[in-house]
Amino acid sequence: DAGVIQSPRHEVTEMGQEVTLRCKPISGHDYLFWYRQTMMRGLELLIYFNNNVPIDDSGMPEDRFSAKMPNASFSTLKIQPSEPRDSAVYFCASTQRRGGRSNEQFFGPGTRLTVL
Amino acid sequence: AQSVTQLGSHVSVSEGALVLLRCNYSSSVPPYLFWYVQYPNQGLQLLLKYTSAATLVKGINGFEAEFKKSETSFHLTKPSAHMSDAAEYFCAVSPSGAGSYQLTFGKGTKLSVIP
Repeated sequence: DAGVIQSPRHEVTEMGQEVTLRCKPISGHDYLFWYRQTMMRGLELLIYFNNNVPIDDSGMPEDRFSAKMPNASFSTLKIQPSEPRDSAVYFCASTQRRGGRSNEQFFGPGTRLTVL
Repeated sequence: AQSVTQLGSHVSVSEGALVLLRCNYSSSVPPYLFWYVQYPNQGLQLLLKYTSAATLVKGINGFEAEFKKSETSFHLTKPSAHMSDAAEYFCAVSPSGAGSYQLTFGKGTKLSVIP
């Protein structure tokens, strides 16, 4: 299996620009999570989906952030307009429900976003 | 509500010495517990997990952790540190109830191994 795939791996943009981060979960996984990692705040859950439906977006910092999952194999996290404080590493993770038990989440390599 | 506290944001050990990374959790329901490792510029990789079976859990790369309910702890240990163990380690907790798939992570502990 290819694992969770994220693109781009690095993104440098200027303040005010739109940024789109992409994620392909592991095939067959029905939960998808978006996280943000910074030195100050550590690893934060932004939003997660189950069967392509957003379940909890309480971690999304502002209306500038939006996430979609149009199908089981693709999700996007969009920031519009971007600000320097959005600079962070963004991770996507996926997992599969198995008998109702909690399963490990499989993480992608992350997208390092720098907003100038 | 659940939370995780990792004591020590940075731990240094000599090569060959015991590694002990501390994790205490708070959970209103029986938890599932996880340790993840993050190498520089990479994503998180699962080391081991506790899901209410044996309280002593063995993971990859010689790591193990013991679930102690009375102490609400899930400390990570390795008898002999190797240079390749230098990384950041995250403890995470999840409710054990059906349909609960969110993980709450600790702040992380960066492990340095001194030659």
